[in-house]
Amino acid sequence: GAVVSQHPSRVICKSGTSVKIECRSLDFQATTMFWYRQFPKQSLMLMATSNEGSKATYEQGVEKDKFLINHASLTLSTLTVTSAHPEDSSFYICSAPRAGAYEQYFGPGTRLTVT
Amino acid sequence: SQKIEQNSEALNIQEGKTATLTCNYTNYSPAYLQWYRQDPGRGPVFLLLIRENEKEKRKERLKVTFDTTLKQSLFHITASQPADSATYLCALDDSNDYKLSFGAGTTVTVRA
Repeated sequence: GAVVSQHPSRVICKSGTSVKIECRSLDFQATTMFWYRQFPKQSLMLMATSNEGSKATYEQGVEKDKFLINHASLTLSTLTVTSAHPEDSSFYICSAPRAGAYEQYFGPGTRLTVT
Repeated sequence: SQKIEQNSEALNIQEGKTATLTCNYTNYSPAYLQWYRQDPGRGPVFLLLIRENEKEKRKERLKVTFDTTLKQSLFHITASQPADSATYLCALDDSNDYKLSFGAGTTVTVRA
């Protein structure tokens, strides 16, 4: 099956610093990837759509200047949380659909803790 | 407003029994509905997709039904095993643009 990886799996950073999370599709090309956030005991909330070669589109209420997304190639999207605050602590998950299919392949997630 | 509701936060069942999970939605008109499994601290894993013109779909011990009139999907795990213990999420794509909206999930615990 299709494989999506994320790096790092866990990160702890100080308040005010920036953190970059990578999402890679390992065995297929993904022109579109999605970034979700999941708080404890809650469901996944879509944050943004990452488009290869063009700007990301953000869901309502998600600050594009705070959550920078870059989709530099057909297999890599990055999410940078800028000037992180403790309330940004969450589980960040990326996903990508294979071409011609509706099911999504999710990465293993990145646990971000901001102290 | 749009809502996706999954029945009870947690379901505890005896090994070998059938687990039935419910997903109800309002103010969506999805062309298809998906079910995912999520283990603690991991990303979701795709299980099944059912289209609006399909009443039922099966995969091994899993069965999904989709009633667009009732706006409901049922997810069944038959002959359940302790390894089936996980959180199960239903997800909708309302606009055919791959952007998924998820329910809160139902956590299933299968006792040996």
